[in-house]
Amino acid sequence: KAGVTQTPRYLIKTRGQQVTLSCSPISGHRSVSWYQQTPGQGLQFLFEYFSETQRNKGNFPGRFSGRQFSNSRSEMNVSTLELGDSALYLCASSFGFTGHSPVAGSTGELFFGEGSRLTVL
Amino acid sequence: KQEVTQIPAALSVPEGENLVLNCSFTDSAIYNLQWFRQDPGKGLTSLLLIQSSQREQTSGRLNASLDKSSGRSTLYIAASQPGDSATYLCAVREGTSGSRLTFGEGTQLTVNP
Repeated sequence: KAGVTQTPRYLIKTRGQQVTLSCSPISGHRSVSWYQQTPGQGLQFLFEYFSETQRNKGNFPGRFSGRQFSNSRSEMNVSTLELGDSALYLCASSFGFTGHSPVAGSTGELFFGEGSRLTVL
Repeated sequence: KQEVTQIPAALSVPEGENLVLNCSFTDSAIYNLQWFRQDPGKGLTSLLLIQSSQREQTSGRLNASLDKSSGRSTLYIAASQPGDSATYLCAVREGTSGSRLTFGEGTQLTVNP
């Protein structure tokens, strides 16, 4: 069973550019969430998509956006890159949640990909 | 606002030792708690998931316990090996937060041969 796949694994951009990262969840999973990891702030939640709808959003500026496609693959985009956007961006997949509970038959466990390492120069 | 704290921040032990990593959270109204392992430059590997109604979960040499009322979880690693060297993270999911996890800063574990 394939895990969560993130592409690209590494990329270097310059300030002011934009970047798009991709995440393919585990087959059957409908929820994809994104996290930013930096040495100073640790792991912080960006947003979650479930069945093509944004369900939840963290405290990040509007330069950070995302979307989810009908096959559950997700992309996140960062526009007008700043030096502080340099980070490891991690994607997590799960079967998802309805209301407070995991989708029937699932535990609510999240599975992460290897991440996309973004360096902004 | 939920806050998650992990103690110690770093730990170095000789091979074969049993050890305990600690995680505390400020709001006990959690849905579940998940322990992860992260190797340098890599993603997160899920180790154990404990539902709020459970007291502990075991997988091989790992045992995680949860005391929701006191806001604490521990990860016990038996007979540590050099391959256990990594950063261990705990994360809590609150009841209304969907897939949103709140993470601790992690404990960096080094097991010396």
